[in-house]
Amino acid sequence: GENVEQHPSTLSVQEGDSAVIKCTYSDSASNYFPWYKQELGKRPQLIIDIRSNVGEKKDQRIAVTLNKTAKHFSLHITETQPEDSAVYFCAAKAGGSYIPTFGRGTSLIVHP
Amino acid sequence: NAGVTQTPKFQVLKTGQSMTLQCAQDMNHNSMYWYRQDPGMGLRLIYYSASEGTTDKGEVPNGYNVSRLNKREFSLRLESAAPSQTSVYFCASSEGQGTYGYTFGSGTRLTVV
Repeated sequence: GENVEQHPSTLSVQEGDSAVIKCTYSDSASNYFPWYKQELGKRPQLIIDIRSNVGEKKDQRIAVTLNKTAKHFSLHITETQPEDSAVYFCAAKAGGSYIPTFGRGTSLIVHP
Repeated sequence: NAGVTQTPKFQVLKTGQSMTLQCAQDMNHNSMYWYRQDPGMGLRLIYYSASEGTTDKGEVPNGYNVSRLNKREFSLRLESAAPSQTSVYFCASSEGQGTYGYTFGSGTRLTVV
């Protein structure tokens, strides 16, 4: 099955800096890569996703890039704000599977 | 439009007791899922239902059963609770086939003593 590794497990930045979280996956046939944000005590929420036929997708201050050759995808947050502080989960859906595999999460802390 | 509604939000059980976690969605989604979340372990899939009338085991199904009552509702039952089942449980739904994002419920924090 699919294996997803997410790094780093914790990321601390100053307000206004950029943050990058990277995930690698094992199944070269994976075709869907969502990212979720979970604030403390809240539910995970989908913030952006990308499909395998696209290399990059942006939504205001967040972007996701996909490198199919290297089998990794990354979340980029620019001009970070304290409200970006949360745990971020990546996921990858392997070809032939109905279920995405989640990474273990990255705790992002944005210091004012 | 409530999205995904989970009940209860909190529950304390004694070892050996049973309970059912309820989940309902109003988005006409085909697929529904139950996950548990433990510190440092991320989200682990317990059971899922790809469509009405079907259910399948996920990564950690032992000690749980599920029922897809209709397209809207998907319940999770603990027949004989154990302390190892202390966790936060999330129900989720999606349009299906795994290539659409999940909408999660607000979660149930379960403690088994």
